[in-house]
Amino acid sequence: ETGVTQTPRHLVMGMTNKKSLKCEQHLGHNAMYWYKQSAKKPLELMFVYNFKEQTENNSVPSRFSPECPNSSHLFLHLHTLQPEDSALYLCASSQDPASGGGANNEQFFGPGTRLTVL
Amino acid sequence: AQKITQTQPGMFVQEKEAVTLDCTYDTSDQSYGLFWYKQPSSGEMIFLIYQGSYDEQNATEGRYSLNFQKARKSANLVISASQLGDSAMYFCAMSLVMDTGRRALTFGSGTRLQVQP
Repeated sequence: ETGVTQTPRHLVMGMTNKKSLKCEQHLGHNAMYWYKQSAKKPLELMFVYNFKEQTENNSVPSRFSPECPNSSHLFLHLHTLQPEDSALYLCASSQDPASGGGANNEQFFGPGTRLTVL
Repeated sequence: AQKITQTQPGMFVQEKEAVTLDCTYDTSDQSYGLFWYKQPSSGEMIFLIYQGSYDEQNATEGRYSLNFQKARKSANLVISASQLGDSAMYFCAMSLVMDTGRRALTFGSGTRLQVQP
């Protein structure tokens, strides 16, 4: 596998379900990101992890719970979601700009998980 | 506050012609980066081109070039010799410094480009 992979690619869940999204990067990066892309809205940054530590939580509701067990893996645990949470969830990775990446914070994205909450 | 603006929700271009996608930004940072990404209907975000705020030359990558006008705070993407496969959403993004001192990307609302045969 190369680049950034995400599973599942599609997910349909009820509001009472608990599910997890998985992201894996094979690029040797040390920063990982979760974004939410809703219809007709710009990408919204949700969480940032640098060296496995969460460095940003962009006012995301607690029904979204990220987990980063190591620099290569990132999870997004979902529980008690609402229909308005239906969106494309994108994972990305980069070399942490604070560790020499500079302003070129080029991020490599996975294919996304399209989530539908019924 | 940092902000990215893409004023063209949709654009049409004839195959083999050039097209310019507009992007303006607002930041108080002196050091920043500007990016363009392409998102086909499959959903994946594909990095196209990068321009650093201190780069004096406009960035070019194959058929993509970035028309960087720092004083006007614009970073327009030019696609030359459009191909049918260029039909996609295009996002302009800027690296910004978060409260933690670390950088992250902020994205514009995107432009949907349709290339017509």
